[in-house]
Amino acid sequence: NAGVTQTPKFQVLKTGQSMTLQCAQDMNHNSMYWYRQDPGMGLRLIYYSASEGTTDKGEVPNGYNVSRLNKREFSLRLESAAPSQTSVYFCASTAGLAGGEQFFGPGTRLTVL
Amino acid sequence: GNSVTQMEGPVTLSEEAFLTINCTYTATGYPSLFWYVQYPGEGLQLLLKATKADDKGSNKGFEATYRKETTSFHLEKGSVQVSDSAVYFCALRFAERDDKIIFGKGTRLHILP
Repeated sequence: NAGVTQTPKFQVLKTGQSMTLQCAQDMNHNSMYWYRQDPGMGLRLIYYSASEGTTDKGEVPNGYNVSRLNKREFSLRLESAAPSQTSVYFCASTAGLAGGEQFFGPGTRLTVL
Repeated sequence: GNSVTQMEGPVTLSEEAFLTINCTYTATGYPSLFWYVQYPGEGLQLLLKATKADDKGSNKGFEATYRKETTSFHLEKGSVQVSDSAVYFCALRFAERDDKIIFGKGTRLHILP
């Protein structure tokens, strides 16, 4: 099992450019999540998907869109990147069972110039 | 609302010292509680968990006990090593609700040789 995979690992964008961060999990998990991590801010939830076909906003959804393509894949799109979106982005998944842990991908380090 | 508060870092200790990282939570109901660890350049990974009151989670010499009366889940280790240097996150989860996980802001731990 690869667990949770993310691509790319690193990305540099110019202000106004768009890009999609890809995430896939091979654990047959129902729930998937996108977080951003900034120094001193901990993890902040951007969007999550409790099951295939559903998505919900988290704490900081502005400037982002998501797609739950199928049970395995959950992508995050920045339509017009801004310097404030410079961050490390983590995808995660859980089985949805009580007490179940959340599995994280290795992260994407994004810099917006 | 539900929240997690953990002690601010950084925490700096010498090797073989005793470690405590405090974590308290506010929640309506009885969530599962978790400690995650993030090593430099990596995603978060589960360190230990407890799913009900008085449960003790343990792993790699770390322990934490779910204390309902004090709404706490403090992380302890009797003798830390340089390899324990990382960021530690306390978290809670209600799987039967919206399945979001609420994280504390993280505590950076530095262990000096």
